[in-house]
Amino acid sequence: EAGVAQSPRYKIIEKRQSVAFWCNPISGHATLYWYQQILGQGPKLLIQFQNNGVVDDSQLPKDRFSAERLKGVDSTLKIQPAKLEDSAVYLCASYIAGSSGDTQYFGPGTRLTVL
Amino acid sequence: GQQLNQSPQSMFIQEGEDVSMNCTSSSIFNTWLWYKQEPGEGPVLLIALYKAGELTSNGRLTAQFGITRKDSFLNISASIPSDVGIYFCAGRATNRDDKIIFGKGTRLHILP
Repeated sequence: EAGVAQSPRYKIIEKRQSVAFWCNPISGHATLYWYQQILGQGPKLLIQFQNNGVVDDSQLPKDRFSAERLKGVDSTLKIQPAKLEDSAVYLCASYIAGSSGDTQYFGPGTRLTVL
Repeated sequence: GQQLNQSPQSMFIQEGEDVSMNCTSSSIFNTWLWYKQEPGEGPVLLIALYKAGELTSNGRLTAQFGITRKDSFLNISASIPSDVGIYFCAGRATNRDDKIIFGKGTRLHILP
């Protein structure tokens, strides 16, 4: 079974530029999450999708961050414009209802550096 | 908001030693989770706990859900080099659809 795919793996941009990340969850997984992991911290949830609907985006900085999952499969997370404090690893995870326990499968992440 | 305090922040141990780390919360959690993250990878779930007092093992790893529902610990017995990584505790306060909150992690280093 293929895991959660993310691209790009690394991205370096200057502040005020825009950037987009892509995630393809495990096939059949209806729930998709985007997390932000700042160096030395644990992951922090940005947004949770159930199919193509948003379940929780309470911690998403909506003035600059946006995310979509139009067809309920893959998803994109965009930052526009980026700030220095957005430097972090952006993790995507997927989960299927009914699977054993709380197994969220994480992708390898996209490491963003904002200069 | 809810916070998790995980300790220690880092550990340096000799190969073969046992390891213990813990996590406390400011509020009651219904689910405790322990993850391991290696460089360049996302976290991988090690153990999930759903009931107060529950003790669960996964190979050399053992985790417990504290009776007060505000704490959990993870033990690793007879550490080996591949145990190196960052261990995160995480919790969920209410139902399974509620978001998971992560601790800041314990970085485990193993000396040869």
